[in-house]
Amino acid sequence: DAGVIQSPRHEVTEMGQEVTLRCKPISGHDYLFWYRQTMMRGLELLIYFNNNVPIDDSGMPEDRFSAKMPNASFSTLKIQPSEPRDSAVYFCASSYRMGALNQPQHFGDGTRLSIL
Amino acid sequence: AQSVSQHNHHVILSEAASLELGCNYSYGGTVNLFWYVQYPGQHLQLLLKYFSGDPLVKGIKGFEAEFIKSKFSFNLRKPSVQWSDTAEYFCAVSRNFGNEKLTFGTGTRLTIIP
Repeated sequence: DAGVIQSPRHEVTEMGQEVTLRCKPISGHDYLFWYRQTMMRGLELLIYFNNNVPIDDSGMPEDRFSAKMPNASFSTLKIQPSEPRDSAVYFCASSYRMGALNQPQHFGDGTRLSIL
Repeated sequence: AQSVSQHNHHVILSEAASLELGCNYSYGGTVNLFWYVQYPGQHLQLLLKYFSGDPLVKGIKGFEAEFIKSKFSFNLRKPSVQWSDTAEYFCAVSRNFGNEKLTFGTGTRLTIIP
């Protein structure tokens, strides 16, 4: 089975440019999560969706960050304008609930973002 | 809100040594508990999970973890580590009802010396 698919794997761009990260969750999973990982701050949850609806975006650092999930098989995380401090690895993860149990999240390979 | 503490930031062991990584969480309700592993340059992979039942949980690659409710702990153990266990290990917790949100610890970097 295909896992969580993220693109691009690497992105290098100049400060001020718009960056769009993409994620395809595992088919049948109705929860989708965006994380950011840096050496300084570790793994941070940015936002998560349930059935394509944003549930908690309290981790989104600023208005420069936005995320959408137009359908069950696709989500984007956009940074506009980008800044050097946005450099990090961005992970997407998906999961589902079985009854009352939160099933483990499955992570994509991540997008390594470098803002020059 | 729940939080997760991993007090060991970097652990260095020789091959065949026994391993125990600490994880404590703060939340008074029913929780689901997870350990994830991240090998260098890779994504997070699930090692093991606890939902209910036997508090001693066995995962992949010879890892196990014990849920001690009275201590709010979920420590990860392995009796004999290998060089290939070099990675970063993350403990995570989610509430059992309502909230799918996972709270991660800051991670423990494990280095195994051949």
